[in-house]
Amino acid sequence: AQSVTQLDSQVPVFEEAPVELRCNYSSSVSVYLFWYVQYPNQGLQLLLKYLSGSTLVKGINGFEAEFNKSQTSFHLRKPSVHISDTAEYFCAVSVSDTGNQFYFGTGTSLTVIP
Amino acid sequence: EAQVTQNPRYLITVTGKKLTVTCSQNMNHEYMSWYRQDPGLGLRQIYYSMNVEVTDKGDVPEGYKVSRKEKRNFPLILESPSPNQTSLYFCASSLSAWVGGSDTQYFGPGTRLTVL
Repeated sequence: AQSVTQLDSQVPVFEEAPVELRCNYSSSVSVYLFWYVQYPNQGLQLLLKYLSGSTLVKGINGFEAEFNKSQTSFHLRKPSVHISDTAEYFCAVSVSDTGNQFYFGTGTSLTVIP
Repeated sequence: EAQVTQNPRYLITVTGKKLTVTCSQNMNHEYMSWYRQDPGLGLRQIYYSMNVEVTDKGDVPEGYKVSRKEKRNFPLILESPSPNQTSLYFCASSLSAWVGGSDTQYFGPGTRLTVL
């Protein structure tokens, strides 16, 4: 089975500062990678995904992530955060050849401080 | 409006009393899935379905059943709930089941279940 590690359970950051949320996965085979965001009392929605091609992926709300195959990482970044970015962020993986099981990390709670 | 709906949104029940949480999507999606979310554990997949009458176990299927008799509906059944099934449950769907998991999943609003 896959494992997805989000090392930082909580990340406080001041408004307009940059942020990086870290994600590492265990698979050595081809994977699809996702970042989802969960705002308070809501379901999850997709921020961005990596399927193939360019290792730098841009998503909604100014977020981007970089796929690093050698380090099995998919870190999420934003150059300048806003109060409205306060939310829970989940990294997720599916294995491309088996495809239909998804593995989520434990989540990172991002708090933007005014 | 394209959406995934779940009912009920909140449920408090007692050990052993059978319950069903419904999930419905109006996007003609092939793939549907159930997850549970627990503090410190993130989301864990319970069951998924590739299409009508095709279901398979995820990581934590024990104590749960599902069925997919129609494309739009994917109910989650707890035949004999226990307190360790107290959790926040999410249903999700995606367009195609045959693209190796690359499709975006659309999540419902969640069902908070408490088993006493």
